[in-house]
Amino acid sequence: GQQVMQIPQYQHVQEGEDFTTYCNSSTTLSNIQWYKQRPGGHPVFLIQLVKSGEVKKQKRLTFQFGEAKKNSSLHITATQTTDVGTYFCAGGDKGTYKYIFGTGTRLKVLA
Amino acid sequence: DVKVTQSSRYLVKRTGEKVFLECVQDMDHENMFWYRQDPGLGLRLIYFSYDVKMKEKGDIPEGYSVSREKKERFSLILESASTNQTSMYLCASSFGSSKKYFGPGTRLTVT
Repeated sequence: GQQVMQIPQYQHVQEGEDFTTYCNSSTTLSNIQWYKQRPGGHPVFLIQLVKSGEVKKQKRLTFQFGEAKKNSSLHITATQTTDVGTYFCAGGDKGTYKYIFGTGTRLKVLA
Repeated sequence: DVKVTQSSRYLVKRTGEKVFLECVQDMDHENMFWYRQDPGLGLRLIYFSYDVKMKEKGDIPEGYSVSREKKERFSLILESASTNQTSMYLCASSFGSSKKYFGPGTRLTVT
């Protein structure tokens, strides 16, 4: 079955450093979504990428969707303490509304 | 603003009990999902529903059933709770393949 792997599992950075999490699917995806879950909270939608090679930016966050639509990345420039949380990718399965979530990357930002 | 509510934030049940987890959304979304979240495993899909009375198995349906009698309500049922079902349960809803809105989660402990 479809699998979505996410690396790294944990990342500790000093405030101001950059951070990247990577998402890899075993199958071609129809689209990919990214979510952020603050400690003690629930996942909150960040963005959806649909097109091959797509790049989208939200302030300090840059999202990329691979050319083969099997991988994606989230890059945060100059992290802040408000970026703390777990970031999940969710790969859309073609032809269904089923999404498979990655295992998540927990980000800790040290002030 | 979309709201997804779950019947309980915390629940403690005994092994063998029948457990009902309720989820209600107020945005007329046709898709509803049940996930469980465990450390290091991310969010795993248990069941989803794309219409009233329609359901599809996710990746880990064993030991669970669901009910969707009304569009706004999606129930997860543990027929006979076991200790390995101790977890955080998250409900979500969406319109088509667009972003998911998650509820606050139910932390279930089975003793």
